[in-house]
Amino acid sequence: EIVLTQSPGTLSLSPGESGTLSCRASQSFSSSYLAWYQQKPGQAPRLLIYGASNRAIGIPDRFSGSGSGTDFTLTISRLEPEDFAVYYCHQFGGSPPYTFGQGTKLEIK
Amino acid sequence: QVTLRESGPALVKPTQTLTLTCTFAGFSPSTSGMGVTWIRQPPGKPLEWLAFIDWDDEKFYSTSLKTRLTISKDTSKNQVVLTMTNMDPADTATYFCARTIRYYSDSSGYYRGFYAMDIWGQGTTVTVSS
Repeated sequence: EIVLTQSPGTLSLSPGESGTLSCRASQSFSSSYLAWYQQKPGQAPRLLIYGASNRAIGIPDRFSGSGSGTDFTLTISRLEPEDFAVYYCHQFGGSPPYTFGQGTKLEIK
Repeated sequence: QVTLRESGPALVKPTQTLTLTCTFAGFSPSTSGMGVTWIRQPPGKPLEWLAFIDWDDEKFYSTSLKTRLTISKDTSKNQVVLTMTNMDPADTATYFCARTIRYYSDSSGYYRGFYAMDIWGQGTTVTVSS
């Protein structure tokens, strides 16, 4: 089973700043299988990034993803108030289970 | 427009079997490359991947819950059903279903990988208590 470890657990930033969220896997897999989701309180998650670096429909270009192998990154530039949420990475490669990371909470500083 | 909606009992007793239904519209999980995933989230905790059924009825389960879960689909009713046996208070959570795309055919007829859950239902909350 692939374990995804996200860091930091909580990231405190101000609107207008940029943030970098990390997702590290216990074993290497194709970047095609890595996605990022945003979840706000009381809401279902929303797909942000698929294939490690492809923005989903309607996602602003201040969200960008990168990485390969075991290390993946979500970068959010010019933070807007609506970006403060919890972010999860997820892998959908190879054999199941197709696991989530434990999440990074992006909070307003 | 693609939509998914979860339904099921809000309260179940310990040891009972939970049956959740995901009713979808706007797509067919029998289309090559597509499927439906179930995910849950206990209060204040992270998302947990539970099960996935793909277009040709292949099924995949969480390792830790494999013996308790069954996923199935009824395309005539536009539904995917998840059953979980022997419910425990630790299974108290919001349960989500999501359209899942492994790959799709683009306008040129090429197959492109996607491997993500692009449309989610709003979730249904299940409490396990006697």
